[in-house]
Amino acid sequence: GNSVTQMEGPVTLSEEAFLTINCTYTATGYPSLFWYVQYPGEGLQLLLKATKADDKGSNKGFEATYRKETTSFHLEKGSVQVSDSAVYFCALRSNAGGTSYGKLTFGQGTILTVHP
Amino acid sequence: EAGVAQSPRYKIIEKRQSVAFWCNPISGHATLYWYQQILGQGPKLLIQFQNNGVVDDSQLPKDRFSAERLKGVDSTLKIQPAKLEDSAVYLCASSLDGTAAGYTFGSGTRLTVV
Repeated sequence: GNSVTQMEGPVTLSEEAFLTINCTYTATGYPSLFWYVQYPGEGLQLLLKATKADDKGSNKGFEATYRKETTSFHLEKGSVQVSDSAVYFCALRSNAGGTSYGKLTFGQGTILTVHP
Repeated sequence: EAGVAQSPRYKIIEKRQSVAFWCNPISGHATLYWYQQILGQGPKLLIQFQNNGVVDDSQLPKDRFSAERLKGVDSTLKIQPAKLEDSAVYLCASSLDGTAAGYTFGSGTRLTVV
């Protein structure tokens, strides 16, 4: 079945540091890939997405590239801010059809804390 | 546009009691999902509705969990009887047709079973 593996956390960085959160996946076919963010006390929000190989999703300074050869979708940001402190989830949606079309499979989440 | 509404925000119950959660999706969204998010884990799909029909409930513990979506709009998720391991955040999400690139999630209901 489909699965998503994220790097172990938590991750603690100083403001303006470079961020990488690793994400690898296992899926049949060609899934769509997503990063969601969950700020304290809030619901899940879509951060960025990529729907096919070599696509780069970007939003709010965050980027991730869909790498089919390495089945990866690592999240990066060149200079983090205190306001980026949140939990980040990598997820995939199978495009293989069938009754579970649209179902999201999530990784376990990575807690990011950014200090001033 | 209004988001996905969920209530209550928090609920504390004793084990073996029953509890119900309510979700109002975005108007016009045909697909509705209930996810369970246990602390330290990513959300896991419990059930998926397309309009008022169930598309996928393979991960729903049917001996204690039930869900319905009357008239293809609001949905309720019920647990009866609750167990300690049911402590989690229950997230509702909706999408226009399930093929959209992303969903809209509600803020969730945090359930604590003591």
